[in-house]
Amino acid sequence: GENVEQHPSTLSVQEGDSAVIKCTYSDSASNYFPWYKQELGKGPQLIIDIRSNVGEKKDQRIAVTLNKTAKHFSLHITETQPEDSAVYFCAASINFNKFYFGSGTKLNVKP
Amino acid sequence: SQTIHQWPATLVQPVGSPLSLECTVEGTSNPNLYWYRQAAGRGLQLLFYSVGIGQISSEVPQNLSASRPQDRQFILSSKKLLLSDSGFYLCAWLRTPNTEAFFGQGTRLTVV
Repeated sequence: GENVEQHPSTLSVQEGDSAVIKCTYSDSASNYFPWYKQELGKGPQLIIDIRSNVGEKKDQRIAVTLNKTAKHFSLHITETQPEDSAVYFCAASINFNKFYFGSGTKLNVKP
Repeated sequence: SQTIHQWPATLVQPVGSPLSLECTVEGTSNPNLYWYRQAAGRGLQLLFYSVGIGQISSEVPQNLSASRPQDRQFILSSKKLLLSDSGFYLCAWLRTPNTEAFFGQGTRLTVV
């Protein structure tokens, strides 16, 4: 099956700085790449996604980039705020059939 | 609106006892349903998925089983829990056609 690797496992930034989380995937047939934010004790919530026919997508302070050739995609958060602190997961899916997740990145935004 | 319910929220069970976690979805029909496990400090591991009543696919061999007795109900079970079954279990659903996956609030299982 698909193998998704995510880095870094922990990330600490100062409020207002940018944060970047990177993921790679193994199956070139994957065509949907969502990012989830998980707060303590809760289920993951979708924050942004990108499909394989798009190279970049932005939503306010959050952006995702996809490089199909290299099979990697990244999450970019600009102007970080303390409420951005959470665990972030990337995932890859083939035709929305099954979702394979990365190991997660714990983001800590220091005020 | 579509919602997903998962219970219980927390569970402490002794080794060797049975397990039954339930997940139900409202406001939709024929959803794809998934069970994930999140071990402490690790990512989400896909355990089972189901595309319809009675249709279960297992991703990894383990001490757990899943069943889908109704269209919007997905159950995760075990006959005898192991210490290694401890973790955070998440149910997710995917409405067809193509759309995002929605997660339940999760069940924190501690096997003692």
